[in-house]
Amino acid sequence: AQSVTQLGSHVSVSEGALVLLRCNYSSSVPPYLFWYVQYPNQGLQLLLKYTTGATLVKGINGFEAEFKKSETSFHLTKPSAHMSDAAEYFCAVSERDSGTYKYIFGTGTRLKVLA
Amino acid sequence: ETGVTQTPRHLVMGMTNKKSLKCEQHLGHNAMYWYKQSAKKPLELMFVYNFKEQTENNSVPSRFSPECPNSSHLFLHLHTLQPEDSALYLCASSQDPGGTTEAFFGQGTRLTVV
Repeated sequence: AQSVTQLGSHVSVSEGALVLLRCNYSSSVPPYLFWYVQYPNQGLQLLLKYTTGATLVKGINGFEAEFKKSETSFHLTKPSAHMSDAAEYFCAVSERDSGTYKYIFGTGTRLKVLA
Repeated sequence: ETGVTQTPRHLVMGMTNKKSLKCEQHLGHNAMYWYKQSAKKPLELMFVYNFKEQTENNSVPSRFSPECPNSSHLFLHLHTLQPEDSALYLCASSQDPGGTTEAFFGQGTRLTVV
């Protein structure tokens, strides 16, 4: 089974600073990778995804992520943090099992943006 | 109405009660999922349904009973729960065969067992 590791359960950045949230996966086959954001008492919203093709993926709200196969990583970045970016972020990989895809999530990283 | 809708948003129940959580998706997806999200723990996949057939039961206690009458609706029936079952229960759907497509999530039901 695949797994996802998010380094750092809490990350704090100043408003306007670079955001870097780390994600590593384990997979023996080319993975499909996702980043989701969750605001308090809400469901998960897709930020971006990597399936095939260009390894630098752009998402909503100015976020982007780069798939690096050699490092089995899919780190999420944003050049300049905004107060509204404060939320919890989840990295996920999809896995096909018993004929159905299921999504395996990391433990999440809570982003705090300091004024 | 679009997306994935979960009702109720909040639920408080006693350990001897029976209640049900409802999920409805208007996206034409064929796969639906129940996840449990507890504080300081990763999202736990509970059940997966593919074309109304259950394809995954992730060692979930029998006090949780899923039902998928059609591809658009998913229920989670609850009975004799324990306080540790208090959590945010998230429903999701995806197009199957998927993998390259993302899962769409509802806003969740915040369950408190007293």
